[in-house]
Amino acid sequence: GESVGLHLPTLSVQEGDNSIINCAYSNSASDYFIWYKQESGKGPQFIIDIRSNMDKRQGQRVTVLLNKTVKHLSLQIAATQPGDSAVYFCAEPSETGNQFYFGTGTSLTVIP
Amino acid sequence: DTEVTQTPKHLVMGMTNKKSLKCEQHMGHRAMYWYKQKAKKPPELMFVYSYEKLSINESVPSRFSPECPNSSLLNLHLHALQPEDSALYLCASSLQGPYGYTFGSGTRLTVV
Repeated sequence: GESVGLHLPTLSVQEGDNSIINCAYSNSASDYFIWYKQESGKGPQFIIDIRSNMDKRQGQRVTVLLNKTVKHLSLQIAATQPGDSAVYFCAEPSETGNQFYFGTGTSLTVIP
Repeated sequence: DTEVTQTPKHLVMGMTNKKSLKCEQHMGHRAMYWYKQKAKKPPELMFVYSYEKLSINESVPSRFSPECPNSSLLNLHLHALQPEDSALYLCASSLQGPYGYTFGSGTRLTVV
């Protein structure tokens, strides 16, 4: 299978600061990536996606950056809030597109 | 309706019991998935149904038996499970391949 990994397993940030969560992927042919947020006891929730023909995509308080040269993507959360505390996964589809490979996850804790 | 609904939310079963997990979506998605997630780990794919036919079985033990009665409904029948099968079982659906991938909130299964 493909390898999608995250650099940091845990991240603690002060409320109001910006958060950056990183992810490395191994399949240079991947053309689509998704970031998911998973709160305790809940299923993964779609945050934002990006296609490989883009370097950057912005949502509400979130930005995903894609660097295809080094096969790296990141999720930036602006003005982090306590409700942002969760595990964040990057994911890429398999070559057949019928399943997702998830990274190991980063646990974000927001300190009030 | 933009949700994937899973029932029950919690289930405790003995190793000799037979139980079923249910997943329902009314988004017109034709692909449905079962994932297993252990604590602090990413989801792992178990089964994929495409147009109501099983297309992927990730070498899952036969004590897990999936069923797709129609395009909106996905079941997972459980029999003679082991304590190590305790996990969060997630259902997901998608319109086509990885696009519009939506997860349910999961069933927290405990095998005693």
